[in-house]
Order: sequence, then structure tokens, then C-alpha cells
Amino acid sequence: LAKTTQPISMDSYEGQEVNITCSHNNIATNDYITWYQQFPSQGPRFIIQGYKTKVTNEVASLFIPADRKSSTLSLPRVSLSDTAVYYCLVGDSGSGNTGKLIFGQGTTLQVKP
Amino acid sequence: GAVVSQHPSWVICKSGTSVKIECRSLDFQATTMFWYRQFPKQSLMLMATSNEGSKATYEQGVEKDKFLINHASLTLSTLTVTSAHPEDSSFYICSAIEILGQETQYFGPGTRLLVL
Repeated sequence: LAKTTQPISMDSYEGQEVNITCSHNNIATNDYITWYQQFPSQGPRFIIQGYKTKVTNEVASLFIPADRKSSTLSLPRVSLSDTAVYYCLVGDSGSGNTGKLIFGQGTTLQVKP
Repeated sequence: GAVVSQHPSWVICKSGTSVKIECRSLDFQATTMFWYRQFPKQSLMLMATSNEGSKATYEQGVEKDKFLINHASLTLSTLTVTSAHPEDSSFYICSAIEILGQETQYFGPGTRLLVL
């Protein structure tokens, strides 16, 4: 399983765009990149998933360069409610694989007013 | 997105008793479910992989006789903490893989266990 490295913490202000970068140098060919958000005493919430290039949904964008050794989660115009821990995970849930995800320490994002 | 529920959301028990936690995929079938444990200020730690109709696969260091896992149907997995002790107090979270083209893991809301 590919190991991921993220900044331990980040600070931002309301209304700003926040970009959190994750390194995964040992990513395998079949691995997808998935980001989760977790609030205290809650289970992680799925944010976005991608394999290459750019993926966008209603809450975030995910940028993946051609070599796939890193990825960047982009949160547009954050609010105080976006204060949470963000996890970047790399894994392969494809047929024949276990789908295991190993969590790193994540990035604690603090949004200030 | 897919919805995963857990029951109970919190439980307090006496030391030495057993506690069962249920994990259900509400709107999809899940061949594979996972159980995690999370201590305060720490990340999630994978405990075991639960496969429908077969024995669970435990991570290194997790006692299979203490944490009994049963995955009897495609929508239900249970974790039983046997002879619970105060050090088992933690936040237990399950997840399930939705098989719909690209596979994505969805998490339950968690169960807070306090052993007195």
C-alpha cells in the first residue's frame, strides 16, 4: 500500500481558497486517490476521488499531475464549517484486491473568521 | 453518495461484559466491510477486513478472539468486543465498499465505546 505524506496542519481564513497537497511517491498503477473529511466524533466523509488529471464536484477539485506522485485537494472559498481533518488515501479497490485503506495523520485545517 | 449506518452510536458498559456494534450499508450491497478504531487526537487504525460469508482478516496486533467480526449478509457486519476492558474504550468506525464502476469506501458515523 502506498504511503502518503501531508502537512500536519494548515490555517486559512473564511472565503479563501485552500489547497492541500499530498505526496504518494509509491503509488501503483491501479491505485485511486481519495480524500476524506473528518469532524470530531464523526466518521470520515467522502469528498472526492480521482485517478489522473483533474476531477471536480460540487464541493472540491482534485488535481493530479501526470506522474501521479502527488495530488492537491482544492477547497474553494472555505467557511468556518470546513474546519476539520482532511485525509488523503491511496488504494486499489479493484476486483481481486482487498480495498484496504491505511490512514496517515491527515491535515488539520483551521479556518479563521 | 452511499449511506452506512452504525448502531449504537454510543455505549457504556462494565468491564468484563461484551458489546456488539452493528454496521449496515443502507442503500447498497457491500461484499467487503472494514472496521477501524480511533483514539483521541489520533488517526484511524484499521482493525480488520470483513468479507461476506467468510472469516474476517485481522491486522497485525488485533486479537481476533477479542474482536469478533461477523459478516452474515451483504448489508450487515457486526463487531463484538468480548470481555471489554477500559483500554478498549475508543471510537469504532466501520466502512463499506460500494461496487458501482469505480469502487469507493464509505464510512459509518462511528460508535463511541466507554468501558468502566
